[in-house]
Amino acid sequence: GAGVSQSPRYKVTKRGQDVALRCDPISGHVSLYWYRQALGQGPEFLTYFNYEAQQDKSGLPNDRFSAERPEGSISTLTIQRTEQRDSAMYRCASSRQPRSWTDRSYEQYFGPGTRLTVT
Amino acid sequence: AQSVTQLGSHVSVSEGALVLLRCNYSSSVPPYLFWYVQYPNQGLQLLLKYTSAATLVKGINGFEAEFKKSETSFHLTKPSAHMSDAAEYFCAVSDRITGGGNKLTFGTGTQLKVEL
Repeated sequence: GAGVSQSPRYKVTKRGQDVALRCDPISGHVSLYWYRQALGQGPEFLTYFNYEAQQDKSGLPNDRFSAERPEGSISTLTIQRTEQRDSAMYRCASSRQPRSWTDRSYEQYFGPGTRLTVT
Repeated sequence: AQSVTQLGSHVSVSEGALVLLRCNYSSSVPPYLFWYVQYPNQGLQLLLKYTSAATLVKGINGFEAEFKKSETSFHLTKPSAHMSDAAEYFCAVSDRITGGGNKLTFGTGTQLKVEL
């Protein structure tokens, strides 16, 4: 079946502009995550949705970053007034519903990412 | 908070040689550990995961990893490297977060190069 898709794959924007990054998760996956990956680093957690509810946004670096998932499927990560330090790969992942409250074993399926460059 | 450390940002092996990629973890609770592989222009793909069922975990493409609590390690191995194994490999630990989610905390990655 189709995997996680993200668009655009590449985005170049000028400092100060707003950008919106889209994630289309695997059908039926209720959990959706956003990560940011700087060059030479591993992905870092930004935010988590369970269905349409944003349950954890502790990783968002500041209030210029926001995310939504209004219908519990497609999600959009928006960065306002972009800065050069926002340049990175932005990755989305989705997963199934955990079997139990203590289940930490389920796999997250990652999309190909959006490479954002702020000039 | 849990964390993982990957020793060696670049590893180079000859085709047919043993692959060993190191990962050490820090966790106050029994860890759930993962190895992901990232090929150029693709998303991260799960190689294998440790969920306390067995200490030796076998994954895809001939990779395996052994959980050693005494050494706080979860090193990734493959007996014989193939050219197609050249990629970046990430070790990760799963943390419980608000609302039933599990965030992954990744290491900095190891770039594997396979030479003829």
